[in-house]
Amino acid sequence: EIVLTQSPATLSLSPGERATLSCRASQIVNNYFAWYQQKPGQAPRLLIYDISNRAPGIPARFSGSGSGTHFTLTISSLEPEDFALYYCLQRNNWPWTFGQGTTVDIK
Amino acid sequence: EVRLVESGGGLIQPGGSLRLSCAASGFTVSGNFMNWVRQAPGQGLEWVSITYTDGATYYSDSVKGRFTISRDNSKNLLSLQMNSLRADDTAVYYCARGPNADAWGQGTTVTVSS
Repeated sequence: EIVLTQSPATLSLSPGERATLSCRASQIVNNYFAWYQQKPGQAPRLLIYDISNRAPGIPARFSGSGSGTHFTLTISSLEPEDFALYYCLQRNNWPWTFGQGTTVDIK
Repeated sequence: EVRLVESGGGLIQPGGSLRLSCAASGFTVSGNFMNWVRQAPGQGLEWVSITYTDGATYYSDSVKGRFTISRDNSKNLLSLQMNSLRADDTAVYYCARGPNADAWGQGTTVTVSS
């Protein structure tokens, strides 16, 4: 099973600041990598798929990058609605696995 | 509009069975990979099962042999039959569309407790 390790666990930032979230995989995952956002009481929402492709309707301030075993989600300038929980996902190998999540909260 | 609506959750005793359903609209389940993902209380996300368009199915080790994913194309419905339920199956169960899970339902809560 591929283990995904997200860091940091919590990121405390102010609106307008840049957020950089990291996800490291225990094995190479090729392009089958995604990021999701989840707010309390809501289902997750797809942000980024195949490492760097924004899902329809996702603002341009969200971007994904990386390769191999190290991936990054960047939010260029935090808006109030971006304070949430973020998960990475690999679907290179079954079982598909999520990271444990990074909380972006208001400083 | 793409929409997924789960149902069938509830309180069930350990060892019992439950069948979850996911009604899809705005697209066809027959033409898409379909998934079940769960989230235990206060915990992260766990991929439970997927069914491919060619009928292939995969399960996480934690549910293999106990859960069965299926689809009813005539009703545009995805299902998850859950047998031999355990306390650690307690979670919100989401259905999601496609290999990238680009659409999710609101979830249905399963509580396994005596």
